[in-house]
Amino acid sequence: DVKVTQSSRYLVKRTGEKVFLECVQDMDHENMFWYRQDPGLGLRLIYFSYDVKMKEKGDIPEGYSVSREKKERFSLILESASTNQTSMYLCASSLYKYGYTFGSGTRLTVV
Amino acid sequence: QKEVEQNSGPLSVPEGAIASLNCTYSDRGSQSFFWYRQYSGKSPELIMFIYSNGDKEDGRFTAQLNKASQYVSLLIRDSQPSDSATYLCAVNLYTNFGNEKLTFGTGTRLTIIP
Repeated sequence: DVKVTQSSRYLVKRTGEKVFLECVQDMDHENMFWYRQDPGLGLRLIYFSYDVKMKEKGDIPEGYSVSREKKERFSLILESASTNQTSMYLCASSLYKYGYTFGSGTRLTVV
Repeated sequence: QKEVEQNSGPLSVPEGAIASLNCTYSDRGSQSFFWYRQYSGKSPELIMFIYSNGDKEDGRFTAQLNKASQYVSLLIRDSQPSDSATYLCAVNLYTNFGNEKLTFGTGTRLTIIP
């Protein structure tokens, strides 16, 4: 089975901090994705990457950046954390057209 | 109009009955359709995908696709309490750069009543 691992299950950070969320997959998938999930708003795409060092903005990229230096690792960066970025962050990877496999999620609280 | 729409529920179904979950989408260019199940506090897990018009069956689950009506549904037969979860419909969309991404509905919360 594909495994997508997110480094932290829970994080608490202060407003203004730079925050790194890490995601690693072990199945050589080309595509990786970062979503956030909020009650009533569902899953919203922040950024995705279709190859090493290749990225594309999703639907809500403001306040975020990403890094993909190696195929298996995709990092989400909150440049200056704000309270409205408190959310559940989900990383996913995919093998073309066969749906996504999600990590277990990181619940981030910004205080 | 939202790109992917689902009735948020909650939908309550007696144990052993058929649960019917519905989803509509706006982009006629969409070609791939997915159903995910998400238990409370857990991440979504893929349960079915469908690409062609008609029905696709997998055990107690049947996905139905009607591209002309831009409608996809999930039927769960012989519903069990363990089926109680939020079900997310996802549809592929193409970006301006030609890359593919999944857009999700907000989910339908299903409760199976013993």
